[in-house]
Amino acid sequence: AQSVTQPDIHITVSEGASLELRCNYSYGATPYLFWYVQSPGQGLQLLLKYFSGDTLVQGIKGFEAEFKRSQSSFNLRKPSVHWSDAAEYFCAVGASNTGKLIFGQGTTLQVKP
Amino acid sequence: DADVTQTPRNRITKTGKRIMLECSQTKGHDRMYWYRQDPGLGLQLIYYSFDVKDINKGEISDGYSVSRQAQAKFSLSLESAIPNQTALYFCATSDPTGVTGELFFGEGSRLTVL
Repeated sequence: AQSVTQPDIHITVSEGASLELRCNYSYGATPYLFWYVQSPGQGLQLLLKYFSGDTLVQGIKGFEAEFKRSQSSFNLRKPSVHWSDAAEYFCAVGASNTGKLIFGQGTTLQVKP
Repeated sequence: DADVTQTPRNRITKTGKRIMLECSQTKGHDRMYWYRQDPGLGLQLIYYSFDVKDINKGEISDGYSVSRQAQAKFSLSLESAIPNQTALYFCATSDPTGVTGELFFGEGSRLTVL
């Protein structure tokens, strides 16, 4: 079955600390992978995406993610977190360019001053 | 103005009432989607449409219907709302000429069914 798992429901980090949000997927075909961020009261905004090529992808707001096929993972990282990064983060997987994405449960990030 | 606009943004209704959530977009995309967000469950696909004459069920279509009135408009209806349809609903679009199927989301419609 196709699925996306974000093992951490809630993460708290101090401002300026590094961040890694985990994402594991189960998908039969070559996956198209995405990370979205949702700020309170807002829709989802794309942070970055991967479908081929270099397995380390750069996104907006200083985020990056690394695709590891052997581990079926697509973890999101940021070297230094800012208070404005507090939000909910969703990992998603899809096939080709259909837009029919399977989303993980989401990880809520809290940033301590 | 937002590229993907949803109305209403918030709605409280009673069990058994008919509800329509509307979505319009100015992105010029042919593909439109309705997703439902529940805490701890992420987003689940309700219906999607790849053009005006194309309507497809998603993972959780029971209890919902849709109408694609034009390329830019895609409405979601709950014929007889029930409390477990209380959720945050998102409309999204994607560009079929794009490589990855990236979704562009509206700001969401929060529905409460009492």
